[in-house]
Amino acid sequence: GAGVSQSPRYKVAKRGQDVALRCDPISGHVSLFWYQQALGQGPEFLTYFQNEAQLDKSGLPSDRFFAERPEGSVSTLKIQRTQQEDSAVYLCASSSYSGSQETQYFGPGTRLLVL
Amino acid sequence: AQSVTQLDSQVPVFEEAPVELRCNYSSSVSVYLFWYVQYPNQGLQLLLKYLSGSTLVKGINGFEAEFNKSQTSFHLRKPSVHISDTAEYFCAVSDFGNEKLTFGTGTRLTIIP
Repeated sequence: GAGVSQSPRYKVAKRGQDVALRCDPISGHVSLFWYQQALGQGPEFLTYFQNEAQLDKSGLPSDRFFAERPEGSVSTLKIQRTQQEDSAVYLCASSSYSGSQETQYFGPGTRLLVL
Repeated sequence: AQSVTQLDSQVPVFEEAPVELRCNYSSSVSVYLFWYVQYPNQGLQLLLKYLSGSTLVKGINGFEAEFNKSQTSFHLRKPSVHISDTAEYFCAVSDFGNEKLTFGTGTRLTIIP
């Protein structure tokens, strides 16, 4: 079956622009996660949804970052007034059930470059 | 707060030789442990995970890992590597009741023909 998809795969933004990154999880998956992976680093947690409810947003680095999942399926991560330090790969993952033992299935990521 | 340490950023290994990628974690509560692999320009793929029970966990592509609670380690091993194993390997941990994964900084495995 289809895995997690993300779009766009690559995004170049000028500093100060707003960007929106999309994640299509595996159909029927309850949980959805966003991670940020800086160059040469491991992914770092940003936020977590269970269906449409955002249960944890403790990893969002500033109030310029906003995520939503209004119908409990597709999710969008929005970054306002982008800055150079926002350059990274943004990974989306989904899991079939809630629970910390569940396997998270990752998408290919969106590589964001802020100039 | 939990953390994961992968001491080796790069590991070169000859083809058909064994390999061990090291992972240590710290957490104040019980944890679940994961190893993910990331091939170039691809997403992370689960290799194996430890939830409970036997401390030796077998995963895909011939990999296995051993959970050692006293040493807070979860090292990944393969008895004979192949060129196709060239990738970045990430160790990760999640706490009971907390779904987010905390990752290490990764180990780049390079296979030498």
